Amino acid sequence: ETGVTQSPTHLIKTRGQQVTLRCSSQSGHNTVSWYQQALGQGPQFIFQYYREEENGRGNFPPRFSGLQFPNYSSELNVNALELDDSALYLCASSLVQGLNTEAFFGQGTRLTVV
Amino acid sequence: AQSVTQLGSHVSVSEGALVLLRCNYSSSVPPYLFWYVQYPNQGLQLLLKYTSAATLVKGINGFEAEFKKSETSFHLTKPSAHMSDAAEYFCAVSVAAGNKLTFGGGTRVLVKP
Repeated sequence: ETGVTQSPTHLIKTRGQQVTLRCSSQSGHNTVSWYQQALGQGPQFIFQYYREEENGRGNFPPRFSGLQFPNYSSELNVNALELDDSALYLCASSLVQGLNTEAFFGQGTRLTVV
Repeated sequence: AQSVTQLGSHVSVSEGALVLLRCNYSSSVPPYLFWYVQYPNQGLQLLLKYTSAATLVKGINGFEAEFKKSETSFHLTKPSAHMSDAAEYFCAVSVAAGNKLTFGGGTRVLVKP
């Protein structure tokens, strides 16, 4: 079974630009969650997609948006980048089945905004 | 809303000594609790999870954690530290299926030879 893969691994963008990060979920998983991990902090929940619909959102502005595709892969889009958006972005996939689920994380995309 | 507090952002232990990482949570409903480990420049790997079964949970790499409802705690321990345990550890809580996780701030473990 393949794991969660994210691309790219590193990215440098200029303030005001837009960025798209990609995540391929683990085989058989139907749910993808995105987290932002600023340097020296714990990950913060951005949003989750379940069967192509947004299924919960954390305290992030609308310029953070996402998509989930029929094959359950996902994109995170961030518009109008700000310096504070510099962080490690983590994708986690899981199979939501009953109450006992486990999230598997990718290696993350390191975004630097200059 | 739920929250997680990890006491101590940095912990230094000698190789072979006990590792104890503290985690306290706040939740209005019975929680699911997790410990993850993060090695440099990598994602998160699940060490163990509590999902309302046994209160003492055993995980990978010799780690275990005990859920104490009265203390709202889920501390992580390992009897004997190894150099490979040097990493950052995160406690997380979820209150619903689907794993929308709320993480603590993390504890970085340094293992001295």
